[in-house]
Amino acid sequence: EAEVAQSPRYKITEKSQAVAFWCDPISGHATLYWYRQILGQGPELLVQFQDESVVDDSQLPKDRFSAERLKGVDSTLKIQPAELGDSAMYLCASRSQLTSGRAETQYFGPGTRLLVL
Amino acid sequence: QKEVEQDPGPLSVPEGAIVSLNCTYSNSAFQYFMWYRQYSRKGPELLMYTYSSGNKEDGRFTAQVDKSSKYISLFIRDSQPSDSATYLCAMSEDTGRRALTFGSGTRLQVQP
Repeated sequence: EAEVAQSPRYKITEKSQAVAFWCDPISGHATLYWYRQILGQGPELLVQFQDESVVDDSQLPKDRFSAERLKGVDSTLKIQPAELGDSAMYLCASRSQLTSGRAETQYFGPGTRLLVL
Repeated sequence: QKEVEQDPGPLSVPEGAIVSLNCTYSNSAFQYFMWYRQYSRKGPELLMYTYSSGNKEDGRFTAQVDKSSKYISLFIRDSQPSDSATYLCAMSEDTGRRALTFGSGTRLQVQP
């Protein structure tokens, strides 16, 4: 069964350093999401892509976070500089355009757990 | 106040019990309602999907949506230790945005 791939699975960094996360969605999925999940909370949307275009980045802290999906396939989320409060799980999800409408199905990757020291 | 409220638990039940998990929400524009299961250190896995009001059953799982009360439920029958996980409710509006608004999750422990 096709899955969303993410790497690395774990990342430990010091504050003020730069970190980057990678996501490869399920083949053919046009919509890609990055969520952040703080321990004990539900995921919160950071950015949504439709193909290579950003659809929603209203919750992305743009002074330090950036996201790109240059060819409309895989995506990279970057944090520079990292802060202590960025420690969280970063989840990538994708959704097929064919299932838009009544069948709202987002498939999540395993996530990248970030610890900022 | 959060748009979606969910009791964090933990909820501990004996094996074989019926489990009831609930969420309330404030945004009347929500039309799509989902339940995800998340095991420790894993990504969320879609369990149930419901559009608008009504019930949906899938094996041991039943999802209910009451839009008039802004209240959704997930019932698990004959609970198993393998059901021990965090259960997240999620919902979205009937718009092109399609991003999900999640509850904070309820941690369930099924004791053998």
